[in-house]
Amino acid sequence: DTGVSQDPRHKITKRGQNVTFRCDPISEHNRLYWYRQTLGQGPEFLTYFQNEAQLEKSRLLSDRFSAERPKGSFSTLEIQRTEQGDSAMYLCASSPPDRDNSPLHFGNGTRLTVT
Amino acid sequence: TQLLEQSPQFLSIQEGENLTVYCNSSSVFSSLQWYRQEPGEGPVLLVTVVTGGEVKKLKRLTFQFGDARKDSSLHITAAQPGDTGLYLCAGGSGGRRALTFGSGTRLQVQP
Repeated sequence: DTGVSQDPRHKITKRGQNVTFRCDPISEHNRLYWYRQTLGQGPEFLTYFQNEAQLEKSRLLSDRFSAERPKGSFSTLEIQRTEQGDSAMYLCASSPPDRDNSPLHFGNGTRLTVT
Repeated sequence: TQLLEQSPQFLSIQEGENLTVYCNSSSVFSSLQWYRQEPGEGPVLLVTVVTGGEVKKLKRLTFQFGDARKDSSLHITAAQPGDTGLYLCAGGSGGRRALTFGSGTRLQVQP
């Protein structure tokens, strides 16, 4: 179990630029989640995949955000035309299949700063 | 929309003191998980409770799920500096796979 891996750990970008983050889940986990966390707050749900299918997407998620998991393994989260309000920690988590109340295994996040 | 409110938001105590953190909602959850998060890292699971009234103990930490499965508490006995961190509760609702997280309680234990 090598854990959930996220890349990059930190990203600084200028407003209006596009950014892409990558998440590699634990290999046998078929469920993958993206959350966003701002300072002093709990993680806010963005989207959820089961295998390659995106099954749930937060209504709060702007159309500038898109996530993919093309082969049911790693996932990418892209933010287009970044805004200062997008500055946050982006957390990826995975969980194993076929278990109710499975715990989420989180990566250490990608911290995005939009200047 | 399911919301989880945690209180207090921030707690600073001396080593050896006891404390309780609360997690409340108007919604019923099928399960409640507690996580601890340290700076620069992702949250790490502490415990899952699924039955109304359930009590679980993890060393000096005692977790309780409310009878109506709308609230939970975390009690720490004789807190230590190593307990410092952000404590998050997260509710699960059967059909919706994604967990809903509370806003967190930031605990600081002074030596």
